[in-house]
Amino acid sequence: RKEVEQDPGPFNVPEGATVAFNCTYSNSASQSFFWYRQDCRKEPKLLMSVYSSGNEDGRFTAQLNRASQYISLLIRDSKLSDSATYLCVLKGNYGQNFVFGPGTRLSVLP
Amino acid sequence: SQTIHQWPATLVQPVGSPLSLECTVEGTSNPNLYWYRQAAGRGLQLLFYSVGIGQISSEVPQNLSASRPQDRQFILSSKKLLLSDSGFYLCAWDGYTFGSGTRLTVV
Repeated sequence: RKEVEQDPGPFNVPEGATVAFNCTYSNSASQSFFWYRQDCRKEPKLLMSVYSSGNEDGRFTAQLNRASQYISLLIRDSKLSDSATYLCVLKGNYGQNFVFGPGTRLSVLP
Repeated sequence: SQTIHQWPATLVQPVGSPLSLECTVEGTSNPNLYWYRQAAGRGLQLLFYSVGIGQISSEVPQNLSASRPQDRQFILSSKKLLLSDSGFYLCAWDGYTFGSGTRLTVV
C-alpha cells in the first residue's frame, strides 16, 4: 500500500460548486498534515495545515480523521482561480521527512 | 522573510552529460534543505536532505548526488544523466517551503 493515496481526478466542477477531496495514509505515526496547492508547472505552495479538531480558512475546510487515517479538504463556492492540483502532505514526529501525495487535479469551469 | 533561489528554471541536457543545479536560501541561517523530484503525473519524491554544511542524507539510491558547501547553498549533481532523470526538481527550505524549481528534460 502506498504511504499516501489520493484520487487523481480530474474533478471538473462548475463555478460556485462545493467539492471535496480525500487523502488516505498508511503510517499511523504521522503527526502533521497539510494541504498544498500546485498550479501547472509551478512549485507547490502551502494552502493550509490540518489540525486534529478541523480548521477553516475562508472557503476552505480541512478535516483529520486519525482513526480512519484520512484527511479531507472541502472547497465551497469554487472559483475559476481554484483550478490547480491539490496535494496531501504528511510529516512524522521524527526525522526530517515529508511525504507528498500524488495530488488531485481540480478544474473549475465557467 | 526567507527566500529560496533556484536556477536555471528550465534545462535540456543530453543523456550522459553532467548536471549541476544550485539552490540558495536567504533570510535564515542553518536551514534544513531538501531536494525533491516530481516526475510527470507523480508525487514529489524526496532525494536528499541536509541539516548542515557537509551533512547529506540520501533517501533514494540513484545516479544523483548532493553537496552542501555553504550554510545556505545546496547543490544537486550528476556525472552522467539518464533519460529517467527528467523531471521537475525542487529545493525546499524546512521541508515544505519550495523554490520555483528547475524543469529538466534529458534527451
